[in-house]
Amino acid sequence: GENVEQHPSTLSVQEGDSAVIKCTYSDSASNYFPWYKQELGKGPQLIIDIRSNVGEKKDQRIAVTLNKTAKHFSLHITETQPEDSAVYFCAAPVSGSARQLTFGSGTQLTVLP
Amino acid sequence: SQTIHQWPATLVQPVGSPLSLECTVEGTSNPNLYWYRQAAGRGLQLLFYSVGIGQISSEVPQNLSASRPQDRQFILSSKKLLLSDSGFYLCAWSVQGNRAKTQYFGPGTRLLVL
Repeated sequence: GENVEQHPSTLSVQEGDSAVIKCTYSDSASNYFPWYKQELGKGPQLIIDIRSNVGEKKDQRIAVTLNKTAKHFSLHITETQPEDSAVYFCAAPVSGSARQLTFGSGTQLTVLP
Repeated sequence: SQTIHQWPATLVQPVGSPLSLECTVEGTSNPNLYWYRQAAGRGLQLLFYSVGIGQISSEVPQNLSASRPQDRQFILSSKKLLLSDSGFYLCAWSVQGNRAKTQYFGPGTRLLVL
């Protein structure tokens, strides 16, 4: 089945700097890659997603890039703010399934004021 | 717009007691429904998913069971809780279809088994 690896597990940046989180996947047929943000004590919330027919998608300070050849996708947050501090998860479809996602292990992002 | 509810928000239960967590979705019909468990604030472990009323797929054999008595209602149960059942339980939904879909999560239930 699909295997998603996420790095780094923890990331600290100064306010205003950029943060990059990377995920690799194993199934070359995977075609959908969402990113979630989870604040303490809350459920994960979708922040951006990308399908395999595009290489990059941007929404204000957040962007996701996809490299299908290398089978990795990355979350980029620019001009970080303290409220960006949270755990971020990437995900990819379980091989052969349109119903299930497999999630990365999460990245704890801390933005230092 | 669609919303997903979970209750209770927090639960403290003794070992050996039963469990019932409820999840309901509003604003959509015939969704896929999911139960996940999250330990120590990381790692989402899929427990069950359902594509329709009475249809439950179990991903991990364990002390828990799930039921879907109505289209937009998903229930997680246990007859006898174990210490290892403690964790953060998340319900999620997605639209039916042949393409991989976004899953939308509820607010979660924090369960502590003592």
